[in-house]
Amino acid sequence: TQLLEQSPQFLSIQEGENLTVYCNSSSVFSSLQWYRQEPGEGPVLLVTVVTGGEVKKLKRLTFQFGDARKDSSLHITAAQPGDTGLYLCAGKVNSGYALNFGKGTSLLVTP
Amino acid sequence: ETGVTQSPTHLIKTRGQQVTLRCSSQSGHNTVSWYQQALGQGPQFIFQYYREEENGRGNFPPRFSGLQFPNYSSELNVNALELDDSALYLCASSSGGRTHEKLFFGSGTQLSVL
Repeated sequence: TQLLEQSPQFLSIQEGENLTVYCNSSSVFSSLQWYRQEPGEGPVLLVTVVTGGEVKKLKRLTFQFGDARKDSSLHITAAQPGDTGLYLCAGKVNSGYALNFGKGTSLLVTP
Repeated sequence: ETGVTQSPTHLIKTRGQQVTLRCSSQSGHNTVSWYQQALGQGPQFIFQYYREEENGRGNFPPRFSGLQFPNYSSELNVNALELDDSALYLCASSSGGRTHEKLFFGSGTQLSVL
């Protein structure tokens, strides 16, 4: 059973477009993280959100944690080819050890 | 500051064989976690080691085992390999036992079981 559902699974857009990817669950998470993974590499942490309703910005990326801490979104403004990669959301349930990952959203940004 | 390093980068084994994967944690980190990432999937938690003790385990059979050494490096051992064990195995290090506030991943070992 997948704790975190990500949508869309695949996204292909042109440079300059905006996009939003979603991460949803029926479980409450004590924290939620977003990672980007490029082929042949491990995931790299982009952001951690902890408080319900929290919004964090990282240059052109905006991350939001749902009020009930069950969902999150990642919005990219004016996407660039360098944004291409697999975007993974991951969360911890309460005080568990495991970081539960979604299947990811594969983003392709073409010039 | 050195990052997380994993070896080997690629490995080909046959069904029934045993494999050992290695991970050197980032300097100053005492916690190592192992994840399995099958093609088209997100990483799945295998287990975590903190100060040489396993202190958390995911839904993996006992033929997946591990070790952590006094220098906090770690090994993942898989016995009686099955075709479904083909995946990217990721090691991640962090500081602090129960917190997952910031994981640093290695580039992984790509294991193919034929």
